[in-house]
Amino acid sequence: DQQVKQNSPSLSVQEGRISILNCDYTNSMFDYFLWYKKYPAEGPTFLISISSIKDKNEDGRFTVFLNKSAKHLSLHIVPSQPGDSAVYFCAASNFGNEKLTFGTGTRLTIIP
Amino acid sequence: NAGVMQNPRHLVRRRGQEARLRCSPMKGHSHVYWYRQLPEEGLKFMVYLQKENIIDESGMPKERFSAEFPKEGPSILRIQQVVRGDSAAYFCASSQNSGNTEAFFGQGTRLTVV
Repeated sequence: DQQVKQNSPSLSVQEGRISILNCDYTNSMFDYFLWYKKYPAEGPTFLISISSIKDKNEDGRFTVFLNKSAKHLSLHIVPSQPGDSAVYFCAASNFGNEKLTFGTGTRLTIIP
Repeated sequence: NAGVMQNPRHLVRRRGQEARLRCSPMKGHSHVYWYRQLPEEGLKFMVYLQKENIIDESGMPKERFSAEFPKEGPSILRIQQVVRGDSAAYFCASSQNSGNTEAFFGQGTRLTVV
């Protein structure tokens, strides 16, 4: 049972444009969400997070939006840069439970 | 300040052998998590440990897999009598506190069972 879903396995975006990565979840107990970036042969690197009491969190070029009623979150990257090409994982957890539940990832390719 | 260190980076084992994966958390971190990534899949939680304690092992297979985080030394994930299906990338993460703080991941150990 995939509780965190990233339905787009891949996404290509022109350099300078906006990249939008989507994530859906089914477990209503999740109250904390994170995005990780992963390059080949490396571990995931934390990007940005959001708790369920917020609907938006911004950090530089990265913004995460949370729609609790739709159980949907998205990561916006603007402007997209070639170094953003990587696999992006959405992850979720609930308070008091330390484990993260990951989506299957979206491979983002930025086209110069 | 060194990050999370995992070794070896690559490990090849024959079916039936034992695999030992080591993880040294970041300095000052006392919480360690192990995740497994099968090909074309996301990371799956295996186990959460604090020093000398297993806190949550709900993601660990019931047989052949064990984990420890002793008072001194790295955390160890041990897989006995490996099978081809154990081939995966195993990632360790550490955090300073509990409560959903951002965990920092190591580079992973890629286990190949031949």
